[in-house]
Amino acid sequence: EPEVTQTPSHQVTQMGQEVILRCVPISNHLYFYWYRQILGQKVEFLVSFYNNEISEKSEIFDDQFSVERPDGSNFTLKIRSTKLEDSAMYFCASTTRGVASNSPLHFGNGTRLTVT
Amino acid sequence: DAKTTQPPSMDCAEGRAANLPCNHSTISGNEYVYWYRQIHSQGPQYIIHGLKNNETNEMASLIITEDRKSSTLILPHATLRDTAVYYCIVRDDKIIFGKGTRLHILP
Repeated sequence: EPEVTQTPSHQVTQMGQEVILRCVPISNHLYFYWYRQILGQKVEFLVSFYNNEISEKSEIFDDQFSVERPDGSNFTLKIRSTKLEDSAMYFCASTTRGVASNSPLHFGNGTRLTVT
Repeated sequence: DAKTTQPPSMDCAEGRAANLPCNHSTISGNEYVYWYRQIHSQGPQYIIHGLKNNETNEMASLIITEDRKSSTLILPHATLRDTAVYYCIVRDDKIIFGKGTRLHILP
């Protein structure tokens, strides 16, 4: 069964450094998402992406964050200057259809980002 | 914010049916009810979804009340591997997670 893959599984970075988290969504999917989960807390929506542009973003997704689909297969999340509070699991998700649809989101197993 | 209410935790004996309730009294006519689970910080795993009718797949059954204000996820024969946090989600465009129900399967 096709799945969403994320790399790396664990990333350690120093405060102030830039980090790029990578995702390969399921190949025929058109809608892409990033979520994060701080240890012990809820899974939080960050951003949705369709047709090479952001569809919606949460208040967490500030100017330090950006997303890109650099080619036909990858979907990336960049954090420009990491802060300690960016330490979390970051999950990528994809689906075939978007708004009010009955198409489930499929999630990857996440990248654990540790900012020191 | 999540539009659903779930009990924070539940226990179920191994081999028995686990029935997880969810209230979604403000659901609107075109919103689907989705269930996901998360096993120990893995990525959320899709289980099942429905609009009005009851649904069944290889993992679970979903029972939605006629007024659509509540639903129940049924795991017919729970195993230790079903220990997880289960999320009931009313979906418009994106998935918004609440706190879910932490299901403990007791040996």
